[in-house]
Amino acid sequence: NAGVTQTPKFRVLKTGQSMTLLCAQDMNHEYMYWYRQDPGMGLRLIHYSVGEGTTAKGEVPDGYNVSRLKKQNFLLGLESAAPSQTSVYFCASSYRGRYSNQPQHFGDGTRLSIL
Amino acid sequence: AQSVSQHNHHVILSEAASLELGCNYSYGGTVNLFWYVQYPGQHLQLLLKYFSGDPLVKGIKGFEAEFIKSKFSFNLRKPSVQWSDTAEYFCAVATGTASKLTFGTGTRLQVTL
Repeated sequence: NAGVTQTPKFRVLKTGQSMTLLCAQDMNHEYMYWYRQDPGMGLRLIHYSVGEGTTAKGEVPDGYNVSRLKKQNFLLGLESAAPSQTSVYFCASSYRGRYSNQPQHFGDGTRLSIL
Repeated sequence: AQSVSQHNHHVILSEAASLELGCNYSYGGTVNLFWYVQYPGQHLQLLLKYFSGDPLVKGIKGFEAEFIKSKFSFNLRKPSVQWSDTAEYFCAVATGTASKLTFGTGTRLQVTL
């Protein structure tokens, strides 16, 4: 049981390039999330999804797009990378629970550098 | 918008010392509270959670936390820390739908031998 798997683990991009980060979970979770982690700022929610075919904006969505075509996958796209998007990106997933009481399970992260 | 405050940014303790990390949140309604730990180079792992019942919750590795509603606090404690507890600790609050989490900025704990 792999849990939450993120690919790639590391990537260096040039400003203006595009890329897609892939998140896959094998726990049949309904909810999935993308966060970015920056020093001194904790984790901030970029986008999330409550089910296949649905996505919603989080706290810091600008410059990112997401898609959830299959329940187990949640893709994060950067259309035109900027240095400000240098960060560590974490994907997470959770069951649908009553009153937001289900814990989230996190992937190992993707370290992304934009030059 | 809700917020989560962790006032201790960097804590250094000797092994066997007691630990208390502060966490305060701003939301006045029903909340679900979590503490996550991130060991160096690893992903976040759940330490413990509170959503109802006994306000004193016990988690893994000897950690516990107390929910004090009147103080909007959810402090993490451990009676005796070990070198292996060196990590970053995040408090988080979930409210509303979709179990979205608002995280604090984290506390880096360094345990010395």
